[in-house]
Amino acid sequence: RKEVEQDPGPFNVPEGATVAFNCTYSNSASQSFFWYRQDCRKEPKLLMSVYSSGNEDGRFTAQLNRASQYISLLIRDSKLSDSATYLCVVERYNFNKFYFGSGTKLNVKP
Amino acid sequence: DGGITQSPKYLFRKEGQNVTLSCEQNLNHDAMYWYRQDPGQGLRLIYYSQIVNDFQKGDIAEGYSVSREKKESFPLTVTSAQKNPTAFYLCASTGQGASYGYTFGSGTRLTVV
Repeated sequence: RKEVEQDPGPFNVPEGATVAFNCTYSNSASQSFFWYRQDCRKEPKLLMSVYSSGNEDGRFTAQLNRASQYISLLIRDSKLSDSATYLCVVERYNFNKFYFGSGTKLNVKP
Repeated sequence: DGGITQSPKYLFRKEGQNVTLSCEQNLNHDAMYWYRQDPGQGLRLIYYSQIVNDFQKGDIAEGYSVSREKKESFPLTVTSAQKNPTAFYLCASTGQGASYGYTFGSGTRLTVV
């Protein structure tokens, strides 16, 4: 079983829509969680860390569910510029080693 | 500004040739990593180093070698033993605790010709 699993998509949504992605992780010892954004042929960039209490950054909301071992990303009022691949990243406690999902592709259409 | 610099941006390798990808960071980060990304796939860990003069194999280390002689530098050599080296190579670093995630370089796109 993969450490981190994501639905590859693509998710095709109109501008202004709300879209949500989930990501599951297999190791309950995982400690830190992140969402990264990757544009085509570019490096991944940190979008947001995911905290146990959930956190929000503008139109983006991240949630962590430890009992079910998944994290989620909600994007409200989608913009054309949100089109990208979103990578779920998990770190095991004290390992300083990160595990990446294969990414979920989002296409926001006019 | 602090960051990670990878060079070259594009690299072409002939069959049977070794090539070295450069990765330099001025973030004072202890840990550095090399990942490989194939089209439509996730990142796979090649090697990582948590401290100078020490490094560990990742999930796909065969055909690759690294060194960590300086904190700032973590070069990756793709040897002729790597049979399918065409990919996008990403170098990353993280500070102690890693609670702030990775910082990535802009990547090197390697093509075998």
